[in-house]
Parts: sequence; C-alpha cells; structure tokens
Amino acid sequence: DAMVIQNPRYQVTQFGKPVTLSCSQTLNHNVMYWYQQKSSQAPKLLFHYYDKDFNNEADTPDNFQSRRPNTSFCFLDIRSPGLGDAAMYLCATGTGLAGEQYFGPGTRLTVT
Amino acid sequence: AQSVTQPDIHITVSEGASLELRCNYSYGATPYLFWYVQSPGQGLQLLLKYFSGDTLVQGIKGFEAEFKRSQSSFNLRKPSVHWSDAAEYFCAVPLMDSSYKLIFGSGTRLLVRP
Repeated sequence: DAMVIQNPRYQVTQFGKPVTLSCSQTLNHNVMYWYQQKSSQAPKLLFHYYDKDFNNEADTPDNFQSRRPNTSFCFLDIRSPGLGDAAMYLCATGTGLAGEQYFGPGTRLTVT
Repeated sequence: AQSVTQPDIHITVSEGASLELRCNYSYGATPYLFWYVQSPGQGLQLLLKYFSGDTLVQGIKGFEAEFKRSQSSFNLRKPSVHWSDAAEYFCAVPLMDSSYKLIFGSGTRLLVRP
C-alpha cells in the first residue's frame, strides 16, 4: 500500500542536543509538509516543500530546519531542542491540488 | 480572515447512538472541504472530502458529511457510533491564497460511552 512512513515513532533527546526526524513516502507526491502538534491542538504547519522549493512559515523558529534530498524523503532537523519543542511531529504529503494531504503516523518527541 | 470553526470541543455519545460533529468555515468561494480523524498517538487519517457535485459525501468507517452552502457548514455524521470511533476529529479547508495548505479547525474530541 502507498503510504507515508515516519521514523522513529518515539524519540527522546536532551535539551540542546540536535535531533533529526525522518519521513518517507511511496505516494510520489510533489508536496511534503512538516507539522508540529501539541496536546489537544490542531496541527501547526512548520514548512513544506513543493518539489525542491522550500517554503517556511513566517512564525517557524530558526531552530527548525528541513531537507528534502529527493522526492521520497524529507527530514526535520531541530538544531537545539528546548523543552517547548516536545510535541508530536507529523509529516504529510500531497499532490498540491485542492489541499488534500495524507499524513504519516507521527513522531512523538520528548525533550529531557 | 479565513477560518474554520468547530464549536464543540468535546462530545460524548453512547455506543450505538447517532453522531453529528459541526464545522463552519469562512471562504470566498465554494471551498474544498475535508474531515480528518486522529486516534490517540496517531497521525491524521482522511475520512472524507468534498470537492464538487453531490453535497452529501460518503467516507470511510461509515461516516458521511453534508455541505450546506447557505450555512457555510460541513457537518460530519454517523448513524451508529462504535467504541472505536473515539478520537479527535478535525475539519479543514485549503488556504485561499495557497490552495495546497490547509486551515484546520480546533478539533472535536469524541468520547464514546459503553
């Protein structure tokens, strides 16, 4: 089945220690998104790639970076995680048409 | 500003009872509309979508939603709720100036009584 895969599902990192979350897709979609979701809130878009074009949301902290080396993979790098960065991180893909998006299972990030 | 409103933060229903979750949107034209479901600790799963045509759309897991232009609403319904339907439900519409980005409602948490 075509799908969006996120690894790891759970990640524990120390305060200030860089961490990378990964996402891969077999849907061959042009657009890949990274969202941050905190408890009992809607997902918050951090940035997205349309093909190789990177689009950062205005309020995304500089601490968050992303890489998309090819169509299938996208990475979220948190350079110096703070306690406030503990959250669920969701990757999604889409064709770029009509906003339809398909989500991965998420990575739960804990910062100690 | 464009918005999606889900007026109910929590809804509790008994297993086997019917369900309606409300969603209202502000949009300059007929929107595309989505409902997503999120089980605890999981990602969002697309339940159904409205693009055009028949205003009553069928989705997965026995859910349906009706687009009502006059009320700017896209309410989600299910005739008989199962315990496994307990989850968070999000309504979403594309951003007008960037149609491949979504605006989400704040979500409705569904609790199911045995």
